[in-house]
Order: sequence, then C-alpha cells, then structure tokens
Amino acid sequence: ETGVTQTPRHLVMGMTNKKSLKCEQHLGHNAMYWYKQSAKKPLELMFVYSLEERVENNSVPSRFSPECPNSSHLFLHLHTLQPEDSALYLCASSQGKGQGYEKLFFGSGTQLSVL
Amino acid sequence: GQSLEQPSEVTAVEGAIVQINCTYQTSGFYGLSWYQQHDGGAPTFLSYNALDGLEETGRFSSFLSRSDSYGYLLLQELQMKDSASYFCAVRDEATGGFKTIFGAGTRLFVKA
Repeated sequence: ETGVTQTPRHLVMGMTNKKSLKCEQHLGHNAMYWYKQSAKKPLELMFVYSLEERVENNSVPSRFSPECPNSSHLFLHLHTLQPEDSALYLCASSQGKGQGYEKLFFGSGTQLSVL
Repeated sequence: GQSLEQPSEVTAVEGAIVQINCTYQTSGFYGLSWYQQHDGGAPTFLSYNALDGLEETGRFSSFLSRSDSYGYLLLQELQMKDSASYFCAVRDEATGGFKTIFGAGTRLFVKA
C-alpha cells in the first residue's frame, strides 16, 4: 500500500463511452500526476497538478480531460477514446518543490481497454 | 530533447550482483531516480541521486556521474523477489522540476 488509491482497477469501454478514472492520495502531498504506461514503452507523463493548479500538460489529446478539485483527489475524464489509448493509467503524488518532490508515490493503476 | 537509455533485459542468478546502466539526455538535469515495478504492481521509488557518487540503501546502491550523463543501479545478493522491471528517471528542471521522464525499463530475471 503506497497511500495512493486508484479506481477502478480495470475498465473496458467502447469508443463512444464516457468514463472517469479516480485517484486519491492519503499522504498529505500537494502535487499529483497522471502517467500512461503502454507495453514496452516508457511511462509517459500526461498531466501534473501542483496545489490544484495544472503545471504540465504534455500535449495530450483533448479526449483526456483532467480535474483536480483538491490536493487529495485527481480525476481523468475519458471520452471518445481510440483503441490505441488502451494502456495502464497510473496516478502518482509527491511533496512540493524543495520538500522531496523527486520521490513519486504511485497507485496501482487502472488497466484500460478500449474496444 | 529528453531521452533515457537502459538495457531492455538482464538475467542473473540468485546471490549474484547485477548492474543496470542508464544514460540520459535532458535540457535541464535535476537528479536521477530509480524505480522498481513488479508485474501488476505500482512503480515504487528506490533511490535518488542529485550529486555525483554512490548512494547505498541496503542491498541496492545507485551511482551518478553528471559529467558523463550516466548512472547505474547496483543490486547485490540477488533474491528471486528482485525479479521485476527497473526504471531510471530524470527530473527536468526546465519545467520547474515537476516533469519526471522515465526510461523504457530494464526487465531483470533472477534465476535459481
């Protein structure tokens, strides 16, 4: 248990569906991240929020929409996805800058399959 | 651009020592980290080097040479449970330090 909880663990959706991934951290961190992990590829940073403000948007298609309502919760809203979006989506959190933000704590991920 | 290179697979026997190398190219270097990920699990933090030299944490050690843009993870007294993927990662100072870029990972197989 890393203190970062992601739901659901598995998700199957059609290309016309709308779904949301949820992440919650219980570590008192103030930065949260979404990463995409595809087979045999590096983890790809998608979004970073620091103190609920988005500080990084890594050229992600608009069919992925993040939301960070507070420092403990992070969502990834999905709509009209493509089969190539099938991957493991990992949430992570860290301390802020100057406080140990080089250490990321990851959740177990949501394995997404787009049919 | 930013990139990290590490071997895709390494095989070693139980009780042995294995070294996983990582070379990197970044626009603004802030530190080199290592993460371990077992199949079906979350990546977990192992170590972080901001300065040149060797950092030791139990059976695991990590080394950094900033002048060579190179680092390695050293695993000693290998155990079967060390079979996992190992990722090196760099903090990119150019984006305020919040951007952590990962290598593709090295799959370590430990044999009895």
